[in-house]
Amino acid sequence: DIQMTQSPSSLSASVGDRVTITCRASQSISSYLNWYQQKPGKAPKLLIYAASSLQSGVPSRFSGSGSGTDFTLTISSLQPEDFATYYCQQSYSTPRSFGQGTKLEIK
Amino acid sequence: QVQLQESGPGLVKPSETLSLTCTVSGGSISSYYWSWIRQPPGKGLEWIGYIYYSGSTNYNPSLKSRVTISVDTSKNQFSLKLSSVTAADTAVYYCAREVEVVPAAPRWFDPWGQGTLVTVSS
Repeated sequence: DIQMTQSPSSLSASVGDRVTITCRASQSISSYLNWYQQKPGKAPKLLIYAASSLQSGVPSRFSGSGSGTDFTLTISSLQPEDFATYYCQQSYSTPRSFGQGTKLEIK
Repeated sequence: QVQLQESGPGLVKPSETLSLTCTVSGGSISSYYWSWIRQPPGKGLEWIGYIYYSGSTNYNPSLKSRVTISVDTSKNQFSLKLSSVTAADTAVYYCAREVEVVPAAPRWFDPWGQGTLVTVSS
């Protein structure tokens, strides 16, 4: 099974900050990596698919990069609505697996 | 656009079988993979398994002995059964579509249902 590890587990930042979240796979997954945003009491929402493709309707301040085992999600200028938990997920093989999540909090 | 809605009992007794249904609206269940994913309170996401509209399945080995996912294309629904449940199965259960644009290319979960909390307790 492929293990996904995110860092940091939590992060405090201010509106307007540039934020980067890292996801590492236990083996190479090419570009088979997705990012989701989850707000309390809500279902996860797709932000980035195939490592770097922006889902339709998602603001352009979100971007993804990486391939192989190391990936990043960057938010270029934090907005109040971006404070949430973010998950990476691999679709390279089954069982599908998610990172443990990164909780982004207001400083 | 496609919407998913989970339904089923919110309370299940230990050792019994959890049964949930996901109804797909705004589009056909055909030509996609359909997954179940769960999230224990305050914890992360766990993929349970998926079914292709044709009926082929793939389950998480950690749950495989207890899981059955089925599809009813005439009703545009797919279902989850999880047997011999314990308190550890208490979670919000989500259904989601797994999108594959090109065979063997990257896939992703979109959209998701709103989720339904299932509590295992006597």
